[in-house]
Amino acid sequence: GEDVEQSLFLSVREGDSSVINCTYTDSSSTYLYWYKQEPGAGLQLLTYIFSNMDMKQDQRLTVLLNKKDKHLSLRIADTQTGDSAIYFCAETIGAGTALIFGKGTTLSVSS
Amino acid sequence: DTAVSQTPKYLVTQMGNDKSIKCEQNLGHDTMYWYKQDSKKFLKIMFSYNNKELIINETVPNRFSPKSPDKAHLNLHINSLELGDSAVYFCASSQSLAGDKETQYFGPGTRLLVL
Repeated sequence: GEDVEQSLFLSVREGDSSVINCTYTDSSSTYLYWYKQEPGAGLQLLTYIFSNMDMKQDQRLTVLLNKKDKHLSLRIADTQTGDSAIYFCAETIGAGTALIFGKGTTLSVSS
Repeated sequence: DTAVSQTPKYLVTQMGNDKSIKCEQNLGHDTMYWYKQDSKKFLKIMFSYNNKELIINETVPNRFSPKSPDKAHLNLHINSLELGDSAVYFCASSQSLAGDKETQYFGPGTRLLVL
């Protein structure tokens, strides 16, 4: 079955890099996504990666995909207090399917 | 602004009532979704419509009935509300079902509290 796992909490200091990890079980995943949810807010799409890519960089964000190990990570460089939020990893397993979400990683950034 | 919008943002109601949540997207997308986020922040798909046609219907009580009057709108009607229905309901849309056009954009959520 489909399952997406994330660690629940990560605490970093301002200016450090944050790395949020995610593992998934379905090898037929087509796209993998990172969403950000600030307290009391909706889900903001941060970035996504197609399953035939290894890496994608977008400003302070770097996504790494290890398809063999079914491992996805999101690296945030120079983490700021405004990055404090819940980060959700999600996958789709083909056209017309819904997003399958992990339980979210709460990132806490201290100054 | 181009966006996915939902109304109301907050909904407090009594058990047994019937309520509706509305969703509209002006992104020109063909596909719309409803997700439920429980108190532990876990997100799960409920329904999906493509061009007004139901394509995903997860195991959801039949008290929940989605309605898509046109492809820009997907409303969620809930009959006989129960305490366990308290959650945040998110609407989302994607351009279509295939390839990189399946990226989903979310509304701000509707926080439902059933007393």
